[in-house]
Amino acid sequence: AQSVTQLGSHVSVSEGALVLLRCNYSSSVPPYLFWYVQYPNQGLQLLLKYTTGATLVKGINGFEAEFKKSETSFHLTKPSAHMSDAAEYFCAAVRNRDDKIIFGKGTRLHILP
Amino acid sequence: DSGVTQTPKHLITATGQRVTLRCSPRSGDLSVYWYQQSLDQGLQFLIQYYNGEERAKGNILERFSAQQFPDLHSELNLSSLELGDSALYFCASSGGSSGSLETQYFGPGTRLLVL
Repeated sequence: AQSVTQLGSHVSVSEGALVLLRCNYSSSVPPYLFWYVQYPNQGLQLLLKYTTGATLVKGINGFEAEFKKSETSFHLTKPSAHMSDAAEYFCAAVRNRDDKIIFGKGTRLHILP
Repeated sequence: DSGVTQTPKHLITATGQRVTLRCSPRSGDLSVYWYQQSLDQGLQFLIQYYNGEERAKGNILERFSAQQFPDLHSELNLSSLELGDSALYFCASSGGSSGSLETQYFGPGTRLLVL
């Protein structure tokens, strides 16, 4: 069965520092991959997604993620953290259009002043 | 604002009761998805409807049911409620027929507390 693992339920970085949120998927067939962000008391918002083509995907708010098939990873990065990035981030995967989407447990990102 | 609306925002009820959660998708979106978010289970996909028809089913309990109406709004019915059903229930919508590959737009959620 497909699964999505996010390493670290909480990550703290200083403002201006690199943000790295890790996501690994388990699948015999490379899936389609997503990162969503959830701000407090709000629903999820898509940051970026990988379907086909370029493995480095750029999203909103300066985030990007790279699909690495050999490592079964889709880590999310941002060069310089901002206080407004404090939120919970979810990695998700789906095998095909007719499959159900599987979410990771989420990583709460804390930004230190 | 995603354009997806959910009512009510909060719901407090007792075990054994039945509740209905309502979702209005973004204008023009044909697909509606329901999710349950809880501390222990995380975010779980429950069910998807596309233009009134059930499209995909996830970890939805038999006590739960959903439907999508001709005006495309959707309702999630939760019956014989248990303490463990306390969670945040999200609705999301997307525009076309590409299923799970599409960008989903999430509503603000309905927080259900079962006492």
